[in-house]
Amino acid sequence: NAGVTQTPKFRILKIGQSMTLQCTQDMNHNYMYWYRQDPGMGLKLIYYSVGAGITDKGEVPNGYNVSRSTTEDFPLRLELAAPSQTSVYFCASTRGARSYEQYFGPGTRLTVT
Amino acid sequence: TQLLEQSPQFLSIQEGENLTVYCNSSSVFSSLQWYRQEPGEGPVLLVTVVTGGEVKKLKRLTFQFGDARKDSSLHITAAQPGDTGLYLCAAYSGAGSYQLTFGKGTKLSVIP
Repeated sequence: NAGVTQTPKFRILKIGQSMTLQCTQDMNHNYMYWYRQDPGMGLKLIYYSVGAGITDKGEVPNGYNVSRSTTEDFPLRLELAAPSQTSVYFCASTRGARSYEQYFGPGTRLTVT
Repeated sequence: TQLLEQSPQFLSIQEGENLTVYCNSSSVFSSLQWYRQEPGEGPVLLVTVVTGGEVKKLKRLTFQFGDARKDSSLHITAAQPGDTGLYLCAAYSGAGSYQLTFGKGTKLSVIP
């Protein structure tokens, strides 16, 4: 199994551009998450989903949007990119809530200049 | 949002030494997890603890959950260069919570 896959691995955006970060999991997990990781700051939750058609905001949702039309896919959309969105983005999935292991993708390193 | 404080933030030790890293909060956790992250990769789960006072061992790593379920520690015996990485603690805040909150991590370097 591939687990959680993310594309692209690296991306450079100009201020004001938009892009979609792709995330796919093949483990039939209902719960999926998007995090960003800044140097020395751990991981902060952007958005999460508990199933197809259901999404909710995390700690730092401003400037991002998500959709969940299938169990497998959970894309993250950046509109009007800003330098503050320069970060490493991780997608994760888990079988259930609370105490279950979260499986992480390899990350997307995004630079906004 | 609960706050998870990890200490130390950085740790550089010689191969063969022992070390302990800590994860503390003023909140009570329903469960707590430890992840290890290597450069350029996503975090990988090491252990989940759910019961106050629980101790789990994973080879040379010993994890302890505080009796009050507000803190946890990770002890590594005879550290090896392969233990190098970022150690993150994370917790679900309460019953029915879907959100995992992470500490800022402890960056460990084990020098051969």
